[in-house]
Amino acid sequence: DTAVSQTPKYLVTQMGNDKSIKCEQNLGHDTMYWYKQDSKKFLKIMFSYNNKELIINETVPNRFSPKSPDKAHLNLHINSLELGDSAVYFCASSRGLTEKLFFGSGTQLSVL
Amino acid sequence: QQQVKQSPQSLIVQKGGISIINCAYENTAFDYFPWYQQFPGKGPALLIAIRPDVSEKKEGRFTISFNKSAKQFSLHIMDSQPGDSATYFCAASMEGSQGNLIFGKGTKLSVKP
Repeated sequence: DTAVSQTPKYLVTQMGNDKSIKCEQNLGHDTMYWYKQDSKKFLKIMFSYNNKELIINETVPNRFSPKSPDKAHLNLHINSLELGDSAVYFCASSRGLTEKLFFGSGTQLSVL
Repeated sequence: QQQVKQSPQSLIVQKGGISIINCAYENTAFDYFPWYQQFPGKGPALLIAIRPDVSEKKEGRFTISFNKSAKQFSLHIMDSQPGDSATYFCAASMEGSQGNLIFGKGTKLSVKP
């Protein structure tokens, strides 16, 4: 039973399209995150939600919009996709802001 | 500005040897220093973490050494095994915000049989 699950695992799309990545955690955590890993494996936080409230919003283009319908879900919607958006996007969760992170297996986004 | 610098970028070690990965940080407000292990196609997983009030923490074959005055910390993997072959990331975060991790650029470790 996967703790943090993301769908889809692979996403190939054309420039200019809009796409969404879904994330669900069954750990009962109240904090969820989106991290981006670029082609050089560099990991950087994008967003953090605590109890459905946006806590961290790093310098990310406003084409990226996270949505948290409840504490167990954090989705990432991306508008007008660009070539530079190609990366692996990781969802993660923790029990509060001060606990260790559990990462999902990632969504590899390829923009053509 | 890279807040957490990690070296080496890649490392090849013989089975049974010691793997050592080093990290240095700039921000003295950091107070939580984890190491994450990532296998291909998987998300990072917490391996071991330390806070600056101790100089060393050991869990099985994995040890973190921490030097607060030098603002450096390192991961030592004793008796390295082929199954340890993965990418290792050091990270740092501030009090009350452990989820907001600042990662190093990663070290790809290959353990040869």
